[in-house]
Amino acid sequence: EPEVTQTPSHQVTQMGQEVILRCVPISNHLYFYWYRQILGQKVEFLVSFYNNEISEKSEIFDDQFSVERPDGSNFTLKIRSTKLEDSAMYFCASSALGGGGDEQFFGPGTRLTVL
Amino acid sequence: QKEVEQNSGPLSVPEGAIASLNCTYSDRGSQSFFWYRQYSGKSPELIMFIYSNGDKEDGRFTAQLNKASQYVSLLIRDSQPSDSATYLCAVNAGGTSYGKLTFGQGTILTVHP
Repeated sequence: EPEVTQTPSHQVTQMGQEVILRCVPISNHLYFYWYRQILGQKVEFLVSFYNNEISEKSEIFDDQFSVERPDGSNFTLKIRSTKLEDSAMYFCASSALGGGGDEQFFGPGTRLTVL
Repeated sequence: QKEVEQNSGPLSVPEGAIASLNCTYSDRGSQSFFWYRQYSGKSPELIMFIYSNGDKEDGRFTAQLNKASQYVSLLIRDSQPSDSATYLCAVNAGGTSYGKLTFGQGTILTVHP
């Protein structure tokens, strides 16, 4: 069964460093998303991406964040200068169609720890 | 601020019983509703989705939607210990919302033998 994959599973970094989190969405999916979940808190939407551009972003997704689809399979989230409060699980998700009615499938997540 | 509210629990039910999980949402224009299961330390796993008022059944799971009351629920019949997890309600507002899901805080379900 096709699934979303993410690497690395755990990333430890120093405050102020740049990190890139990688995702391979399900191959025939067209819409991609990043969410995060701080330990013990809700899953929060960061950004949606379609046709090589951002469709929607939350207030969390400030200038420190960027997304890219560098090739036909990968989807990346970059945090330019990490802060302690960026420590969280980051989930990539994809869906075949966009909009409100389509199921999103989540990857296993990357645990980001900022020291 | 569009909100999705769930009782955080924990909800404890005996094996074989029906577990009932509830969710309310604030945006009356919301169009699609999802239930995810999340085991500790793992990612959300889609269980069911519902778009129309009424009931939708899939195996042991039944989702119920009442848009007038802004209420969606999940029933799990014949609960098993393996159903013990956090259940997340997620709502998509539709319209110009490009698939953005707003999640509730989740209800912890414990099924005891």
